[in-house]
Amino acid sequence: GAVVSQHPSWVICKSGTSVKIECRSLDFQATTMFWYRQFPKQSLMLMATSNEGSKATYEQGVEKDKFLINHASLTLSTLTVTSAHPEDSSFYICSAKRPATDTQYFGPGTRLTVL
Amino acid sequence: GQQVMQIPQYQHVQEGEDFTTYCNSSTTLSNIQWYKQRPGGHPVFLIQLVKSGEVKKQKRLTFQFGEAKKNSSLHITATQTTDVGTYFCGHNAGNMLTFGGGTRLMVKP
Repeated sequence: GAVVSQHPSWVICKSGTSVKIECRSLDFQATTMFWYRQFPKQSLMLMATSNEGSKATYEQGVEKDKFLINHASLTLSTLTVTSAHPEDSSFYICSAKRPATDTQYFGPGTRLTVL
Repeated sequence: GQQVMQIPQYQHVQEGEDFTTYCNSSTTLSNIQWYKQRPGGHPVFLIQLVKSGEVKKQKRLTFQFGEAKKNSSLHITATQTTDVGTYFCGHNAGNMLTFGGGTRLMVKP
């Protein structure tokens, strides 16, 4: 099956630090990738849709300047949490949509803990 | 995106018992997808249903899409401890996948 990787898998940082999370589609070229946030025991909340070569589309309530998304290639999207604060601590999961299908393949997630 | 509601939120079962989770929408859905997320893991795609009244089976898992395409269910027969996790339904509309709240299944051996 398709494989999507995320790096790092876990990061702990001090408040005020910017953290970059990488999402890679290893098996196919993904023109569209997605970033989700998941709080403990809750569902996944879509943060933004990342489109290769163009600006990301953010969901309502998600700060563009806080969560910077770059989709520079067909296999890589990055999410940068700028000036992270404790309330940004969460599980961030990316997914890649296989072209011409409705199937999304999820990365293993990145657990961010901001002290 | 279209809202999908999922019930129950939690379910404890004894190993060997059956389990069902339900997904409902107030509007007609073009499709319904089901995912499983193991504790500490990431969602894994299980199946997509697109036809009215569609029923699909994967071993002990049975997935149904309602006739009106407004509800769906996932039924697990004779649960095993390996079935533990959270099951999410989702609706894919273009480039957006909207998830239900998930049903967390706990299986007592």
